Amino acid sequence: GAVVSQHPSRVICKSGTSVKIECRSLDFQATTMFWYRQFPKKSLMLMATSNEGSKATYEQGVEKDKFLINHASLTLSTLTVTSAHPEDSSFYICSARDLGTSGSFYNEQFFGPGTRLTVL
Amino acid sequence: QQQVKQSPQSLIVQKGGIPIINCAYENTAFDYFPWYQQFPGKGPALLIAIRPDVSEKKEGRFTISFNKSAKQFSLHIMDSQPGDSATYFCAASGRGGSNYKLTFGKGTLLTVNP
Repeated sequence: GAVVSQHPSRVICKSGTSVKIECRSLDFQATTMFWYRQFPKKSLMLMATSNEGSKATYEQGVEKDKFLINHASLTLSTLTVTSAHPEDSSFYICSARDLGTSGSFYNEQFFGPGTRLTVL
Repeated sequence: QQQVKQSPQSLIVQKGGIPIINCAYENTAFDYFPWYQQFPGKGPALLIAIRPDVSEKKEGRFTISFNKSAKQFSLHIMDSQPGDSATYFCAASGRGGSNYKLTFGKGTLLTVNP
């Protein structure tokens, strides 16, 4: 249980185009999903917190208009990188918090496999 | 700034050794302390987690030791294997609203030699 998928796993695009990354919780409902960015050999950097049915909360320094987040259902959140540039190339990872977790770790997060974005 | 300080940055052990990775935190509101294992090109996988009401938790070859007064926690890997070679991240979070966000350490690259 507690599986999170991401699609696509890899994407290469030209500068100026937009790219959409999907994050799905496959076997549980997630009211909250998180989007991270990770540079090579670095830790995870939280970009935004996505709550189902409401606007995402972005971390300081993250451009809301560049990284559009939509959390339309309890199992799906999307991250759209708009007008991508080479400096947006990175490893993007989502995680989901299990709404149904009770009596254990209510703040347990499960991570997706990540999406490698390369902008040419 | 809520921080979690992780050390060492890298660690090399021989097969069968017991690598120990340490983390320290500042925010006393943290009440959930997970460890994640990450292989290159993959997302982090939850290994083991602890809450501050216990001082130790063991799952298989992985053990978390927790010292609430010192605000420190550590991961021990018993009988380490080459397949354990990966980057390990400690993290912490609190409860309620934005406190559910995980604050990560900078990671430890573990190499287990055959």
